[in-house]
Amino acid sequence: GNSVTQMEGPVTLSEEAFLTINCTYTATGYPSLFWYVQYPGEGLQLLLKATKADDKGSNKGFEATYRKETTSFHLEKGSVQVSDSAVYFCALSSFGNEKLTFGTGTRLTIIP
Amino acid sequence: NAGVTQTPKFQVLKTGQSMTLQCAQDMNHEYMSWYRQDPGMGLRLIHYSVGAGITDQGEVPNGYNVSRSTTEDFPLRLLSAAPSQTSVYFCASSLGQGVLSTDTQYFGPGTRLTVL
Repeated sequence: GNSVTQMEGPVTLSEEAFLTINCTYTATGYPSLFWYVQYPGEGLQLLLKATKADDKGSNKGFEATYRKETTSFHLEKGSVQVSDSAVYFCALSSFGNEKLTFGTGTRLTIIP
Repeated sequence: NAGVTQTPKFQVLKTGQSMTLQCAQDMNHEYMSWYRQDPGMGLRLIHYSVGAGITDQGEVPNGYNVSRSTTEDFPLRLLSAAPSQTSVYFCASSLGQGVLSTDTQYFGPGTRLTVL
């Protein structure tokens, strides 16, 4: 079956630091990969996605590259801001299957 | 567009009570789903629907019922609440054209449920 393993948190960084949140997956076939973000008190919203190997998803300064050879989709940002404080979820869905499988989430706190 | 709306935002129940969590979307999405979010466990799929009149079980369906009589609405019913159902519940929808697993899912703001 499908599964997602992501870096355990919480993660605390200073403003302008470099961010990496690791995500690896197990899936049948060729999954699509997603990062969702949940700001305090809100629902999840899509941050970025990649639908095939070597694709790079990007949004709001965040990037993640779909690496089939290492089954990974690590989230990176070069310079984080206080407003990036949130919980980040890695997720996947398989071809022909709308269902999302989520990782456990990583809580990120950025301090000024 | 209002997107995905959920009511209520908060609810406290006693063990054994029943209630319905409401979910509606105005984007004409075919696919709708319910998740529960528990600390350290991410989001787990409860039930989902690929269109009006069609529902199926997800990973953790026990204790919950759903129906989909219209494209817009997808209520989640707790038949006899238990403390183990204390959680935050999220409804989501996507365009859902069957083979398209690349669709973005849109989430509602959540319902925080406490069962005493």
